[in-house]
Amino acid sequence: NAGVTQTPKFQVLKTGQSMTLQCAQDMNHNSMYWYRQDPGMGLRLIYYSASEGTTDKGEVPNGYNVSRLNKREFSLRLESAAPSQTSVYFCASSEFGAGELFFGEGSRLTVL
Amino acid sequence: GIQVEQSPPDLILQEGANSTLRCNFSDSVNNLQWFHQNPWGQLINLFYIPSGTKQNGRLSATTVATERYSLLYISSSQTTDSGVYFCAVERVSRDDKIIFGKGTRLHILP
Repeated sequence: NAGVTQTPKFQVLKTGQSMTLQCAQDMNHNSMYWYRQDPGMGLRLIYYSASEGTTDKGEVPNGYNVSRLNKREFSLRLESAAPSQTSVYFCASSEFGAGELFFGEGSRLTVL
Repeated sequence: GIQVEQSPPDLILQEGANSTLRCNFSDSVNNLQWFHQNPWGQLINLFYIPSGTKQNGRLSATTVATERYSLLYISSSQTTDSGVYFCAVERVSRDDKIIFGKGTRLHILP
């Protein structure tokens, strides 16, 4: 049972490039989340999806878009990467809204 | 939005010591969770505890929802307890946003 899987684990981009972080969960959870973690800032919510077909903004949504492709998959897209988006990104899922969270291993993104 | 404050921000202890980590929140919550982030960056659930007390081995947690705080107790610390401890809450408004505090960094010395 893989749990929550994120790809890629590491990525280096140049300013202005675009990329998509992929997340998939195999626990049949309804809710999925994207967080970013910066030193001294804890985890900040970017976007979340309470159920298939719905998405909503979190604390720091600017510069990001998301797609809830199906119940299993929730992707995060950076259309035009900026150095301020250098961070570690975590995907998480829960059985229902605000239930117990399960995290992926994280994706380290560097924007030069 | 809801504010989540954790204290202390940093804690250095000798192996075998006990510690208490605190999480204060500014609004009524539906649930509260504690996580441990190990030195390799993995985030592990410790407790899902909207109210009351739970224990798991050397760790225990208490949430007093009416007074808007939660405590995480670590007894007989081991070096493997090192890392960052986060609490996360969801407001009673049930907007499904789970918000994290900034964490307590714990360093256990051998």
